[in-house]
Amino acid sequence: DIQMTQSPSSLSASVGDRVTITCRASQSINTYLNWYQQKPGKAPKLLIYLASSLQSGVPSRFSGSRSGTDFTLTISSLQPEDFATYYCQQSYSTPITFGQGTQLEIK
Amino acid sequence: QVQLQQSGPGLVKPSQTLSLTCAISGDSVSSDSTTWNWIRQSPSRGLEWLGRTYYSSKWYNDYAVSVKSRITISPDTSKNQFSLQLNSVTPDDTAVYFCARFNWGNNWFDPWGQGTLVTVSS
Repeated sequence: DIQMTQSPSSLSASVGDRVTITCRASQSINTYLNWYQQKPGKAPKLLIYLASSLQSGVPSRFSGSRSGTDFTLTISSLQPEDFATYYCQQSYSTPITFGQGTQLEIK
Repeated sequence: QVQLQQSGPGLVKPSQTLSLTCAISGDSVSSDSTTWNWIRQSPSRGLEWLGRTYYSSKWYNDYAVSVKSRITISPDTSKNQFSLQLNSVTPDDTAVYFCARFNWGNNWFDPWGQGTLVTVSS
């Protein structure tokens, strides 16, 4: 199985801050990496697909990038509605696996 | 717009069978290039993909090794839905269960069902 290691597991930040979350795959997954946002009591919502493509309707302050097996989600200027938990997910091979999540909290 | 609506009991006794259904609107369970998945989420396991069913000239299933001996995911073309059965449950199977569509062309899970909290307890 491909292991997805996310860091940090939690993060405190303020409105307006620039935030970066990292996900490392245990082996090459090409660009088959998606990012989701999840709020309490809701299903995950797709933000970024294929490492760097912004899903329709998602604000442009969200962006994704790849360097080898390292992937990054960046929020350029945090808004109050961005405080949530973020997950990466690889779709390169079955079983599909997720990172353990990064909880983004208000400082 | 594709929507997934989950149904099923929220409480299951240990050793019994967990059964959930996911009704599809706006797409077909028999769609090519689309898989229909079950995923669960718990504090101990995080988000865990359980398995999928899909049609490509015939029906296929793939399951996670962790539940492979206990799980069945099956389509119901007459009702345009798919279901999850997990046998011999234990308290460790307590989780929020989601159904989700995965399209091979897009390579992402979207949409998801609303989630069902299933508690395994006597």
